[in-house]
Amino acid sequence: SQQGEEDPQALSIQEGENATMNCSYKTSINNLQWYRQNSGRGLVHLILIRSNEREKHSGRLRVTLDTSKKSSSLLITASRAADTASYFCATDPLSSGAGSYQLTFGKGTKLSVIP
Amino acid sequence: DSGVTQTPKHLITATGQRVTLRCSPRSGDLSVYWYQQSLDQGLQFLIQYYNGEERAKGNILERFSAQQFPDLHSELNLSSLELGDSALYFCASSVEGHNTEAFFGQGTRLTVV
Repeated sequence: SQQGEEDPQALSIQEGENATMNCSYKTSINNLQWYRQNSGRGLVHLILIRSNEREKHSGRLRVTLDTSKKSSSLLITASRAADTASYFCATDPLSSGAGSYQLTFGKGTKLSVIP
Repeated sequence: DSGVTQTPKHLITATGQRVTLRCSPRSGDLSVYWYQQSLDQGLQFLIQYYNGEERAKGNILERFSAQQFPDLHSELNLSSLELGDSALYFCASSVEGHNTEAFFGQGTRLTVV
């Protein structure tokens, strides 16, 4: 079952613009992670934000987390054509026991950056 | 390169057959995860192993089974294959569980005909 749900499903922007993707989830979490997937290839980890953090930056990426609303957003600033990919949020539910790690993914946002 | 190796990259097989997908985790990673990605279901968590022991189970069919060997590589066995089992199967590994990132292999594309 899907824990996270990304919005929008697809996003098309011009190079240089900012891209914002949102993720909502259902249950309490240990952390939330964002991954990127180029077409048909493996997922690449972008950033992890813990449940006690509100904002995190990595290069052109900015992630926010609002645990009261069970939502997160990923902002990519000054987008490039190479950012074209699908972006997934993944949650590590608090209900997972020690040593048990069920990272649950949403269906993703397909980002197209037009040169 | 994530350091996670999956073989084979592509697999075409007939309905009713059995296949084995193999995964070598990153050096030092004790946790291995298997995921199925299809167009309609998205990325579905199947199962997690930690140092040879099953630790978490997701939407894994009874026709599917997995194991992690003493050298930490893992295999996912899919039997009595159906057309609907056609998907990308990903293996991922991590040092431990919570609050660590997972590193994904490039996947095995399974086509059942």
